[in-house]
Amino acid sequence: DTAVSQTPKYLVTQMGNDKSIKCEQNLGHDTMYWYKQDSKKFLKIMFSYNNKELIINETVPNRFSPKSPDKAHLNLHINSLELGDSAVYFCASSPSGRQAYGYTFGSGTRLTVV
Amino acid sequence: QKEVEQDPGPLSVPEGAIVSLNCTYSNSAFQYFMWYRQYSRKGPELLMYTYSSGNKEDGRFTAQVDKSSKYISLFIRDSQPSDSATYLCAMSGAGNNRKLIWGLGTSLAVNP
Repeated sequence: DTAVSQTPKYLVTQMGNDKSIKCEQNLGHDTMYWYKQDSKKFLKIMFSYNNKELIINETVPNRFSPKSPDKAHLNLHINSLELGDSAVYFCASSPSGRQAYGYTFGSGTRLTVV
Repeated sequence: QKEVEQDPGPLSVPEGAIVSLNCTYSNSAFQYFMWYRQYSRKGPELLMYTYSSGNKEDGRFTAQVDKSSKYISLFIRDSQPSDSATYLCAMSGAGNNRKLIWGLGTSLAVNP
């Protein structure tokens, strides 16, 4: 069974389009995250939700909007895509009280903006 | 200066070698120290974590934390080709909703 699943795995789209990435976890975790990994492999946190409440909102363009309909789901919508948005986006989750180390990552969504 | 520094490599070793991977950090408030392994086209997976200073061993892997030097290490004994991956260190302070600070990752290739 997949613990943290993201869809789609690959996304190729043109500049200016709007796209969404979905994430679901079946681990019963309370906290979910979106990370961006650039071509140099650097992992940068974008957002974190705890029980549907936004708790981390890094300096991310407001074209990126997360939505958490329930604690098992965290989606990411991106408006007006730009070339610099090309990266791998990872969803992760962790249980309460183990936020420091109990991360489980999804396999990533490879976004290419052309 | 970045909060966490990690040499990206790449590091190439023969099978059976002992591998040493390291990170340095500047924030003395960090209490939790983690090593994640990331295979190509996969998400990072937690390999080991240590709270505060000391050593932790798990099979062929040993994690060390030296808070006085702000230096952490991961040792891999009897390295195998299946250990070929990118190894990322991550650390955080204590408290609620603590954020992980990540190293750049070190790319390791173990050659048969």
